[in-house]
Amino acid sequence: EAQVTQNPRYLITVTGKKLTVTCSQNMNHEYMSWYRQDPGLGLRQIYYSMNVEVTDKGDVPEGYKVSRKEKRNFPLILESPSPNQTSLYFCASKPVGRNNQPQHFGDGTRLSIL
Amino acid sequence: AQKVTQAQTEISVVEKEDVTLDCVYETRDTTYYLFWYKQPPSGELVFLIRRNSFDEQNEISGRYSWNFQKSTSSFNFTITASQVVDSAVYFCALTETSYDKVIFGPGTSLSVIP
Repeated sequence: EAQVTQNPRYLITVTGKKLTVTCSQNMNHEYMSWYRQDPGLGLRQIYYSMNVEVTDKGDVPEGYKVSRKEKRNFPLILESPSPNQTSLYFCASKPVGRNNQPQHFGDGTRLSIL
Repeated sequence: AQKVTQAQTEISVVEKEDVTLDCVYETRDTTYYLFWYKQPPSGELVFLIRRNSFDEQNEISGRYSWNFQKSTSSFNFTITASQVVDSAVYFCALTETSYDKVIFGPGTSLSVIP
């Protein structure tokens, strides 16, 4: 089954404690992306990757890091989380250049930073 | 610049009423793609429909219909005879041909009251 898998689904943690949200897709997609969803703001792109070892900033990259060492994985790293990063996060993937194709989304990760 | 506007933040209707969710977009490209996604209370994002800019035919799928009007840059979504299961946040999104990024609107929260 084609899917994007995010872990964890829920996390409550404290300010400054480094965390990683993993994302894995099994569709051999080149393009992967991270979004955060906040009320009234929709989904805003944090980082994206066009292929292995190719990553770039989205609209709200501050406070986040990503890596793309393998095609299937695109982890999101919060090195020193702060309360303003409390949000619902989604990972997505699609074939690069196939912009008529909808993105495949993971089920979301709800992060609470205390 | 790309932009998607969903002016209705929240809508409440009584079951069996019809409801239209508005989406207005901005783009400089002549070829682009529009999407609608549904986010039920469980949180996942569900793809509903895609429309190409060169195809202005309206589409109907069961109780759902979409009205794409290039002249007004709108891609509105109508639910006929709404049901409680339609209660969700609905997102309109835009992507251009030459640019993999997807721009989401802020979403419209629909509540269908029994």
